[in-house]
Amino acid sequence: TQLLEQSPQFLSIQEGENLTVYCNSSSVFSSLQWYRQEPGEGPVLLVTVVTGGEVKKLKRLTFQFGDARKDSSLHITAAQTGDTGLYLCAVGPSTGNQFYFGTGTSLTVIP
Amino acid sequence: EAQVTQNPRYLITVTGKKLTVTCSQNMNHEYMSWYRQDPGLGLRQIYYSMNVEVTDKGDVPEGYKVSRKEKRNFPLILESPSPNQTSLYFCASTAATHRASYEQYFGPGTRLTVT
Repeated sequence: TQLLEQSPQFLSIQEGENLTVYCNSSSVFSSLQWYRQEPGEGPVLLVTVVTGGEVKKLKRLTFQFGDARKDSSLHITAAQTGDTGLYLCAVGPSTGNQFYFGTGTSLTVIP
Repeated sequence: EAQVTQNPRYLITVTGKKLTVTCSQNMNHEYMSWYRQDPGLGLRQIYYSMNVEVTDKGDVPEGYKVSRKEKRNFPLILESPSPNQTSLYFCASTAATHRASYEQYFGPGTRLTVT
């Protein structure tokens, strides 16, 4: 059973469109992270959200942590080809000593 | 430059031939991990280490060994590789003392093929 479920698994959109990806769980977390992974590279941290209901913005990316701290979303406004990549949510090690990752959303932005 | 290095980047080997993938970080991080990444399954933690001489199993430890004799190094050992260990492997480190923002730094990955 996957601790973190991400949706959609794949997303292909035109440049300039908006999109939202989701990370859901039945567990409560003290914090949650979003990473982006580009082909041939390791994941790179985008943001950590800590407080229930928190919204963080990173240029065109908006991250929200659910009020109950069980889920999170990532919204991209006016997607660009440079946004192409695999987006991963992760939690830990406050949940024991381990890190857990979601299955990821593979985003392709078409010019 | 703060970084995590892994070697080799690519490895093709045969079933049963012992191999070691090295990992080194230069950030003085206490916590280090090994992950494998497989399509549709995401990143799964194999082993982690909270500090020198302290290692523990993650979700998928079968068939792997690790050691942490020095703070900077965390090698992954496959004593008798099998084809189901064909995967993309990542080493990562984090300063575990900063629990609210434990950013993980990842290496570039090692693509392993076992035939």
